[in-house]
Formats: sequence, structure tokens, C-alpha cells
Amino acid sequence: EADIYQTPRYLVIGTGKKITLECSQTMGHDKMYWYQQDPGMELHLIHYSYGVNSTEKGDLSSESTVSRIRTEHFPLTLESARPSHTSQYLCASRAGTAISPLHFGNGTRLTVT
Amino acid sequence: GQNIDQPTEMTATEGAIVQINCTYQTSGFNGLFWYQQHAGEAPTFLSYNVLDGLEEKGRFSSFLSRSKGYSYLLLKELQMKDSASYLCAVIKAAGNKLTFGGGTRVLVKP
Repeated sequence: EADIYQTPRYLVIGTGKKITLECSQTMGHDKMYWYQQDPGMELHLIHYSYGVNSTEKGDLSSESTVSRIRTEHFPLTLESARPSHTSQYLCASRAGTAISPLHFGNGTRLTVT
Repeated sequence: GQNIDQPTEMTATEGAIVQINCTYQTSGFNGLFWYQQHAGEAPTFLSYNVLDGLEEKGRFSSFLSRSKGYSYLLLKELQMKDSASYLCAVIKAAGNKLTFGGGTRVLVKP
């Protein structure tokens, strides 16, 4: 069963539009993450959060922003979408213990035309 | 930074064994995870190693040598459904970030 939900599953949008990708988890996990992955390529960490009101940039520079107002919710926003933002965006969460694994959502496949 | 290296692709026959190696260079190493990812799907957790040695979970086993910066994932009795990418990920003691390797695409042939 899915305990971490991402919406929408697929999104096709025109250049210049503002979009928000939603991610929610019901496991009470403190730590949440956004990864970007092009088809057949590696996962790149773009944002993460240790808890409410804490967000950090990841290893890959991204023009997106995130917020963490509630434990269960970690949305990602692109103020002005560009074709270079076309990719799959994967949200994940994990418990607070040092070696707890990541649980991934099903991802949002974004296409910017 | 962290360097995590895995072979890009491997091919094996149904019923055989395949070993996927992962080498890493990082300071403050805290553990290593293995994930499976089928095409178009999200990664799913397979195993983790914190201490040196072998962890066995059914047909899958994972090994870690901290001193050598080396891990492998062993897949036994390969099935066609095991065709997927296998991702090695390292977590550091400080920061709680998981950094992934490029993944190894395994193709199982009849």
C-alpha cells in the first residue's frame, strides 16, 4: 500500500507557467526529500527537509523551491516552468533513525512544452 | 563530496547468479542501501548494511566492507522479473542525505 502520495502523476504544461508538485506522507516521518531523475539516468537530490520549517538545497542545483509547514506535506514549486525542467520528480520520506530507509512516492512525470 | 561507482549494465541468464558491485568514497560513512527500480517506476528498498559482513534476505544478499569502501548485491536464482536497475546509495553520519550511484541495469535473459 502507498503511504507516500504524489500528485499529479503526469503533468504537461506550457513554458512560463507556475506549478506545484504535491507530496504527502502518512507515516509521520520527519525527513522528506525531492529527487529529480531523467529516464535511465541517476537520481539527483534537489531538496530535503529535516522537519517542519526546515528545508535545505540538495546536491543538484534547481530553480524549484520547497516548503515544510506541516510534517506530512512537502510541496515543490516551479515559479516559471521551462523545457529544461522536463523530468521525473520523486518524493521520498524516512524516519528519524540514522539507518532508516527511504520510502518513495510514485513520482510526477513533468513535461514542459 | 561522494563518489559512488557501479557498473552500467549487466546481463545474466534466468536461474543464474549475478553480483553487482558498488564502490564509494566518502567521509563520515554511516551506511549503505540497495534499491531496485523497474523502468518507469519508483525505487523500492531491498537492503541496508551498516557493519561489515553479509546480510541475507531470501534470494538477495548484500555485503559491505567499510575499510575497502565496497559493497555488492548478490541476486540468486534469477527470474525474468529481476530485470531492473539496482541502485546503491550511501548515507553519511551527518546531514542525513542519501546519495545514489548511477545504478546498474540488469537484463535477465531466458
